[in-house]
Amino acid sequence: DTEVTQTPKHLVMGMTNKKSLKCEQHMGHRAMYWYKQKAKKPPELMFVYSYEKLSINESVPSRFSPECPNSSLLNLHLHALQPEDSALYLCASSRDRAGYQETQYFGPGTRLLVL
Amino acid sequence: KNQVEQSPQSLIILEGKNCTLQCNYTVSPFSNLRWYKQDTGRGPVSLTIMTFSENTKSNGRYTATLDADTKQSSLHITASQLSDSASYICVVREGFGGSQGNLIFGKGTKLSVKP
Repeated sequence: DTEVTQTPKHLVMGMTNKKSLKCEQHMGHRAMYWYKQKAKKPPELMFVYSYEKLSINESVPSRFSPECPNSSLLNLHLHALQPEDSALYLCASSRDRAGYQETQYFGPGTRLLVL
Repeated sequence: KNQVEQSPQSLIILEGKNCTLQCNYTVSPFSNLRWYKQDTGRGPVSLTIMTFSENTKSNGRYTATLDADTKQSSLHITASQLSDSASYICVVREGFGGSQGNLIFGKGTKLSVKP
């Protein structure tokens, strides 16, 4: 299994809703990532979970909160989002964070629309 | 400031033709450079990864080159197919071998292959 799966594929939510994006990999990878990608822009790193430690991009607002229930899952909890948070949210994983083992495998993404 | 610049921004070619995409970077210290292919609305897929000592690497019809002295990389696509239509993203990791440096993403080149 060389896939990173993400659910849901599409999500429409209001600014008062609470929702979660899910990401799962069964490749035994030790690092998982969340990215946000706006149209025609490169992905922007939001969070890295590696060796049971969470690294946060300081520019990410607190209305986004990651959760790692186990080594195969990395969820992204969403609360009180703004319309500008509408984007493609990509999850990725890598075997490790150094050298050749750091090639990241991306999921298909969740297309989020905040109304 | 660490930057990755890609050119052209977009490119249209006829099926069966070859093309070359460019990536210039100012990232220092340099760890590795990778090319990703991203279909519209999908997650990026890794094509190649090269370290400082590697000049060229192939993956099927894709051949990437790296000149670490001039800090330039290219991605050559041979005998293009309609399925090659996608955005191609150059990503450079800063830092040395085992360092957990940042990934610097280029803005991508949008390639359209026409029949």
